[in-house]
Amino acid sequence: AAGVIQSPRHLIKEKRETATLKCYPIPRHDTVYWYQQGPGQDPQFLISFYEKMQSDKGSIPDRFSAQQFSDYHSELNMSSLELGDSALYFCASSFADRAHTEAFFGQGTRLTVV
Amino acid sequence: AQSVTQPDIHITVSEGASLELRCNYSYGATPYLFWYVQSPGQGLQLLLKYFSGDTLVQGIKGFEAEFKRSQSSFNLRKPSVHWSDAAEYFCAVGAGGYQKVTFGTGTKLQVIP
Repeated sequence: AAGVIQSPRHLIKEKRETATLKCYPIPRHDTVYWYQQGPGQDPQFLISFYEKMQSDKGSIPDRFSAQQFSDYHSELNMSSLELGDSALYFCASSFADRAHTEAFFGQGTRLTVV
Repeated sequence: AQSVTQPDIHITVSEGASLELRCNYSYGATPYLFWYVQSPGQGLQLLLKYFSGDTLVQGIKGFEAEFKRSQSSFNLRKPSVHWSDAAEYFCAVGAGGYQKVTFGTGTKLQVIP
């Protein structure tokens, strides 16, 4: 079965650079979520999109932005990177209009800022 | 706002012993509850989920969890732990639809021979 695809799997950037993380949801899923997991931390919700509209916003820095495109894939754009942005970034997708549905997580993108 | 508390940061058990990881949630309505497992540097694997119905749910790898509404708990259990179960376990709560899932702080399980 198709899963959530995240690219790249690993990314190394320097401070003050920009990074773009991509997420391809499971086919027919209409909702995408982004989470950030710092070292030794639990995943923290950043932002979500339902039918290409922002549906919820968590602790996402102003330096970050995200969107969901017409094909439902999503991109997380991160600018002016800081050392503290080094983390594992998870994307998840779900089919919101189906009862008793859960979010399926991708394998994550490990971002290292040096 | 929904929240999850996992009171145990670290747990050490002997291989073959039973395991119970605690999880308490806070949510206004009937929650959707999940347990995920994460090996170091890896993604999140769903162990089991509760949406409604039978309060005892079975998951993968021999895990089960029991939803107790009166105690706002969703504890994870396994009768006999294997060395390969060593990982971090996250309890999570959601509301379904397009609502986000909120994670607990995790419990790191160590298994000793």
